[in-house]
Amino acid sequence: EAGVTQFPSHSVIEKGQTVTLRCDPISGHDNLYWYRRVMGKEIKFLLHFVKESKQDESGMPNNRFLAERTGGTYSTLKVQPAELEDSGVYFCASSQSGTRSEQYFGPGTRLTVT
Amino acid sequence: GESVGLHLPTLSVQEGDNSIINCAYSNSASDYFIWYKQESGKGPQFIIDIRSNMDKRQGQRVTVLLNKTVKHLSLQIAATQPGDSAVYFCAVGSGSARQLTFGSGTQLTVLP
Repeated sequence: EAGVTQFPSHSVIEKGQTVTLRCDPISGHDNLYWYRRVMGKEIKFLLHFVKESKQDESGMPNNRFLAERTGGTYSTLKVQPAELEDSGVYFCASSQSGTRSEQYFGPGTRLTVT
Repeated sequence: GESVGLHLPTLSVQEGDNSIINCAYSNSASDYFIWYKQESGKGPQFIIDIRSNMDKRQGQRVTVLLNKTVKHLSLQIAATQPGDSAVYFCAVGSGSARQLTFGSGTQLTVLP
């Protein structure tokens, strides 16, 4: 069974540009999460989808970040316009439905804004 | 809100020794606790979890201990091997919210 996949693995963009990150969850997982880790700090929650609906987006830092999950399958996270402080590793995770189920993480996308 | 802290950012142990990684959390309502292992270039990988109705859980070479009185969580790795070298994160969840709050990670280095 394929795990969570993320694309691209690395992205280097200039301040002010736009970047779109993609996450493909494990097939059949209704729950999809975005997290990010900035400069060796803790991994922080961004948002949570249940199928195509945003269940919790309390961790989104500002309105430059837009996440979508059309059709309840893959998800995209767009940063527009990117700022220097957006640099970090963006992780996607997915889990099955249920009260508490293990979150499987993807390998992450390393975003560098110069 | 929840905050999660790790006692040591780095830990070095001799191969074959036991490792103990500690974590403290702040929210007494937290009821779900997980340890993740992250190797270079990979995402966090689930190791073991424990719910608040337990104080100990064992897996293969790993044991998680939960002390709700002092809001402390630990991961014990028996007979540490070179392949155990990685960054270890504790993560905490509470109630119906599915988001996890992570600690900052402990880099475990296994010395030959």
